[in-house]
Amino acid sequence: AQSVSQHNHHVILSEAASLELGCNYSYGGTVNLFWYVQYPGQHLQLLLKYFSGDPLVKGIKGFEAEFIKSKFSFNLRKPSVQWSDTAEYFCAVNPLNTGGFKTIFGAGTRLFVKA
Amino acid sequence: DAGVIQSPRHEVTEMGQEVTLRCKPISGHDYLFWYRQTMMRGLELLIYFNNNVPIDDSGMPEDRFSAKMPNASFSTLKIQPSEPRDSAVYFCASSSSGGFNNEQFFGPGTRLTVL
Repeated sequence: AQSVSQHNHHVILSEAASLELGCNYSYGGTVNLFWYVQYPGQHLQLLLKYFSGDPLVKGIKGFEAEFIKSKFSFNLRKPSVQWSDTAEYFCAVNPLNTGGFKTIFGAGTRLFVKA
Repeated sequence: DAGVIQSPRHEVTEMGQEVTLRCKPISGHDYLFWYRQTMMRGLELLIYFNNNVPIDDSGMPEDRFSAKMPNASFSTLKIQPSEPRDSAVYFCASSSSGGFNNEQFFGPGTRLTVL
């Protein structure tokens, strides 16, 4: 079955530390890839997305993600986190053989940034 | 644009009662999704519609759950009878099929508590 794996369920960092959240998916065909963020008490919102082209994509708030096709990975990075980055982060995949609309979400990674 | 609108934001009910959750998608979006989020299972896709037609309901947990989309601007998710294990946050999301821009826009969610 198609799945999305996020390696860490909880991450605790101090401000200014670097962040990398892992994401792997188990689908061999063409995919669209997303990272969504859910701040405390808020709804999910898009952080960044990859459809094609440059495998290094930049999103809002200084986040970026790199698509490595050979590793089926789409890891999220930020060089220096802030307290306001405390949130839950979801990796998501749209396998295009579903028309690209059946999004499969990972279990999420809860990030807590200490001030 | 007001974004995806969900009501109620919070619902507390007793086991056995019928619960109806409502969603208004973004105007012009032709895909609508219902998700359930719990600590144990993360974010699960329950069902999605395209042009008001249910496309995939394989995520609906059991017959107690039903969803309808009578028109392009309204959808309901009904649980009858409700059980304590249905307690979760239910999100509605919508998307446009224009191009391959499959970003989903999420509503604020309905936090359901079944006592």
